[in-house]
Amino acid sequence: QVQLQESGPGLVKPSGTLSLTCAVSGGSISSTNWWSWVRQPPGKGLEWIGEIYHSGSTNYNPSLKSRVTISVDKSKNQLSLRVSSVTAADTAVYYCARQQAVAGTGGFDYWGQGTLVTVSS
Amino acid sequence: DIQMTQSPSSLSASVGDRVTITCRASQGINNYLAWYQQKPGKVPKLLIYAASTLQSGVPSRFSGSGSGTDFTLTISSLQPEDVATYYCQKYNSAPLTFGGGTKVEIK
Repeated sequence: QVQLQESGPGLVKPSGTLSLTCAVSGGSISSTNWWSWVRQPPGKGLEWIGEIYHSGSTNYNPSLKSRVTISVDKSKNQLSLRVSSVTAADTAVYYCARQQAVAGTGGFDYWGQGTLVTVSS
Repeated sequence: DIQMTQSPSSLSASVGDRVTITCRASQGINNYLAWYQQKPGKVPKLLIYAASTLQSGVPSRFSGSGSGTDFTLTISSLQPEDVATYYCQKYNSAPLTFGGGTKVEIK
């Protein structure tokens, strides 16, 4: 059973950098899956942030692309997210998720439990 | 970029009612569409992928249809445990955009 676990600071100061890690267990980050970050501001909907393949290939949401970096550490079986120049609008629950890779399938079949990051001084 | 528009944004129905949620893509996405259920305070759960294929373990009262730009999620007989917000998502290519969500409540 694949499990994802986000971790990182729950409070970040405005103009600072948000950094989160997602540890993958029960499966390999070097599998054929793409791995994504998704966020959800309090009381609002889901927003896709970006994705990474184990090769290091990435795709980002155009609305966040200039401030976001997603990376993978195969030795630790984890992926990371960095969001720079944060404001209160970046306050959200941040999830990591795995996209199904079997031919004909799709969507995010495994999600982390989510971690709330608050941007405040 | 392709936009995903869901309607309605919320609905209230009685137990046993048939409920339909629509999702429209601003450009064709073939059948690369997923539906998720998110119960209050919980993690989103994948219900349907490829527009109409039920994820393993999902009750058969859920069904999906559509292709191209217009998609629907149907709950054939609404149950109390179906109270949640439902999201569609395109995954044909990045960005993997979500719809705005539809909140389903019991009348």
